[in-house]
Amino acid sequence: DTEVTQTPKHLVMGMTNKKSLKCEQHMGHRAMYWYKQKAKKPPELMFVYSYEKLSINESVPSRFSPECPNSSLLNLHLHALQPEDSALYLCASSHAGGLNTEAFFGQGTRLTVV
Amino acid sequence: QKEVEQDPGPLSVPEGAIVSLNCTYSNSAFQYFMWYRQYSRKGPELLMYTYSSGNKEDGRFTAQVDKSSKYISLFIRDSQPSDSATYLCAMGAGNQFYFGTGTSLTVIP
Repeated sequence: DTEVTQTPKHLVMGMTNKKSLKCEQHMGHRAMYWYKQKAKKPPELMFVYSYEKLSINESVPSRFSPECPNSSLLNLHLHALQPEDSALYLCASSHAGGLNTEAFFGQGTRLTVV
Repeated sequence: QKEVEQDPGPLSVPEGAIVSLNCTYSNSAFQYFMWYRQYSRKGPELLMYTYSSGNKEDGRFTAQVDKSSKYISLFIRDSQPSDSATYLCAMGAGNQFYFGTGTSLTVIP
């Protein structure tokens, strides 16, 4: 099973709302990622968690707040977003090192900020 | 994030053709290389993963890595209309990997 599950699939939120994106995997992976993808562009790395600790933050604005409550779950908390934050948000997971670090992606949450 | 360069396409081929997709990179620290297929409005699907120079084959797909030239390729044999998608190369080291810009492929029946 190479499934990464993301919820919700679609989300519309106002600029004053607080919402959360959720990601779950049961492959025993200890690295989990958030990527942001705009239309016709490649995914851009936002955050990496390794062994439930934040290891990489690609200078993402503080209105995006990641959380890794356990080794299977990854959340992205959203607050005071801007319309330009509308995008497909992708979660991925992989082993946390070595040579078996192929990353598997979920189907994404399509976020619209109004 | 221009460490990975990918032919932008778009690429249009007849059904049954052999497709060649390519990426180059500048960071010699990259240890592993992946190819993803992404259909419109879906998440990327991992096609191939390799960490050594040479060829790796899986069905109609062959991934080729030349670390000395910092060049990777994906070949698709007997291309099908269902192969029409955007193909993304990705590469990295540790738990940090980056994507090429993607090549849009259309296979015409």
